[in-house]
Amino acid sequence: AQSVTQLDSHVSVSEGTPVLLRCNYSSSYSPSLFWYVQHPNKGLQLLLKYTSAATLVKGINGFEAEFKKSETSFHLTKPSAHMSDAAEYFCVLNSGGSNYKLTFGKGTLLTVNP
Amino acid sequence: NAGVMQNPRHLVRRRGQEARLRCSPMKGHSHVYWYRQLPEEGLKFMVYLQKENIIDESGMPKERFSAEFPKEGPSILRIQQVVRGDSAAYFCASSPQPRDNQPQHFGDGTRLSIL
Repeated sequence: AQSVTQLDSHVSVSEGTPVLLRCNYSSSYSPSLFWYVQHPNKGLQLLLKYTSAATLVKGINGFEAEFKKSETSFHLTKPSAHMSDAAEYFCVLNSGGSNYKLTFGKGTLLTVNP
Repeated sequence: NAGVMQNPRHLVRRRGQEARLRCSPMKGHSHVYWYRQLPEEGLKFMVYLQKENIIDESGMPKERFSAEFPKEGPSILRIQQVVRGDSAAYFCASSPQPRDNQPQHFGDGTRLSIL
């Protein structure tokens, strides 16, 4: 069975400090993993994707994520938070048994304080 | 705008009415996916369609919900005799063709409210 667990429903950071959003997955197949961001009343925007190439993936807006197979994790990080980063973040799994049926985590709401 | 277009953005219906949600995929994309997002939840897969074909509707409720993607025009998600529990955000995504590493591109969603 495929599943995604986002370990924190809410993360609050100060502007200029690092961001860490945690994600663990379970998959019977070699996974493809994505991080999407959702701003209020908007759709989902792709931040980055892991597709079995490099384990450290760089995305847009300074975000990156590291795929760790031994830990079944795909945590999202950013060295310095910006106010515009405040949004909901979803870790998403596409695990090959069905190459279109995405499995979403429940989301992590990121708050950035001035 | 070459992105996935959904309309309306907001839709209010009374219990028992019908709701029709429309989705135009990105240019060049012939595969459409519908997802539902309940409050404080991630998105849940509902249905996958290609032009004139339903490929997988395993996430659709068995009653009152239907989807189509005609040869011409947008994909339509139709909910008949809506109930309060249908209140949610409905998102459409599209892709050129489904592959493990191919991201789906999402529209801004339709927020459905049932009075």
